[in-house]
Amino acid sequence: AQTVTQSQPEMSVQEAETVTLSCTYDTSESDYYLFWYKQPPSRQMILVIRQEAYKQQNATENRFSVNFQKAAKSFSLKISDSQLGDAAMYFCGIIQGAQKLVFGQGTRLTINP
Amino acid sequence: DADVTQTPRNRITKTGKRIMLECSQTKGHDRMYWYRQDPGLGLRLIYYSFDVKDINKGEISDGYSVSRQAQAKFSLSLESAIPNQTALYFCATRGNGLPYNEQFFGPGTRLTVL
Repeated sequence: AQTVTQSQPEMSVQEAETVTLSCTYDTSESDYYLFWYKQPPSRQMILVIRQEAYKQQNATENRFSVNFQKAAKSFSLKISDSQLGDAAMYFCGIIQGAQKLVFGQGTRLTINP
Repeated sequence: DADVTQTPRNRITKTGKRIMLECSQTKGHDRMYWYRQDPGLGLRLIYYSFDVKDINKGEISDGYSVSRQAQAKFSLSLESAIPNQTALYFCATRGNGLPYNEQFFGPGTRLTVL
């Protein structure tokens, strides 16, 4: 079974600074996909970024990028030039095989002005 | 209009009552999912369905049942609600094909069981 662990329940960063959210996972499969979702106070779940495990190149979406370390089963999210609108819960997730998306516990990110 | 809708958005009920949460989608997706979100536990999968004839249990299905009335509708029922089912419930859909496809979420239902 897949498991996802986010070891940082809460993080904070100064506006315009860079922050990295950690995520580790466990899977016995070699082919899988990783996701980061954002949940702002509106509680809507919004896809931030995704990564195919077979790709070595780290995914990037504007100010959001990942550091994917397959051997270490690590998938961290880096947010550059943090903005007030980035304040949210962030969930890491993995999907494989039967296409069930499994999530971590979440990290609450606070942006300090 | 939203692609994935959930009704009701908020509900307060009493222990022992039967509750149904409804989900509808206009994305034409076959795959539909129900999750519950609890503080510190993230989102956990309750049930999922790959088509109207395919229903599967997730990791926390005890105390819940589902019905896939049509491709576009997937309902979650609590036959006899208990306080530890107080949570935020999300419906989600995914298109066919690659697991890489984005999963789309509804706005959530906040359920409180007294």
